[in-house]
Amino acid sequence: DAGITQSPRHKVTETGTPVTLRCHQTENHRYMYWYRQDPGHGLRLIHYSYGVKDTDKGEVSDGYSVSRSKTEDFLLTLESATSSQTSVYFCAISVGDATNEKLFFGSGTQLSVL
Amino acid sequence: AQSVTQLGSHVSVSEGALVLLRCNYSSSVPPYLFWYVQYPNQGLQLLLKYTSAATLVKGINGFEAEFKKSETSFHLTKPSAHMSDAAEYFCAVSDDPDAGGTSYGKLTFGQGTILTVHP
Repeated sequence: DAGITQSPRHKVTETGTPVTLRCHQTENHRYMYWYRQDPGHGLRLIHYSYGVKDTDKGEVSDGYSVSRSKTEDFLLTLESATSSQTSVYFCAISVGDATNEKLFFGSGTQLSVL
Repeated sequence: AQSVTQLGSHVSVSEGALVLLRCNYSSSVPPYLFWYVQYPNQGLQLLLKYTSAATLVKGINGFEAEFKKSETSFHLTKPSAHMSDAAEYFCAVSDDPDAGGTSYGKLTFGQGTILTVHP
């Protein structure tokens, strides 16, 4: 599982509150990704990181920010949560090189915004 | 821009029957193609990956997929379904390395197909 831990596993919050989700890895991999999963949409990329302090936007980045101040942690922040951000959030880590790269996914965070 | 279409949000088969999950993609350049499986309350697990080597790709748990450029398809098959195959399956495409230049982890996923296996 590439040593991926997501926290919290479940979160219920109210509209307008800030929320931070954490993805932690133990193996010093360079690339980390945040996806959200919604019924009928599969998974969609929010943001990703290709190194400490190096991040870029994905397909659905509006309303989200990320930070990566050290290799092992990639944080996803909802500055002011909305009901449309109710979703399951997955962190993923790229392991391997160009010939054998694989993405390993965490167990997910179920976020409910009321 | 790339996109993935999985035909059929639900597929039901009998144990021992052929499994066929359909995936079509659009991409302006040669893509990397993937199939992932998700069991309830878990993250995604890679089944197999196509990277322009052999067009027939074998994966874990007896699954395989064939890349057909002329049909822009990457259908997933398994000759004989097992009860443990019941899960949700996602097809995904990547044709654009990330800003770091060496990872193809920016995936575009299909909407998923739930496979049910009946005894």
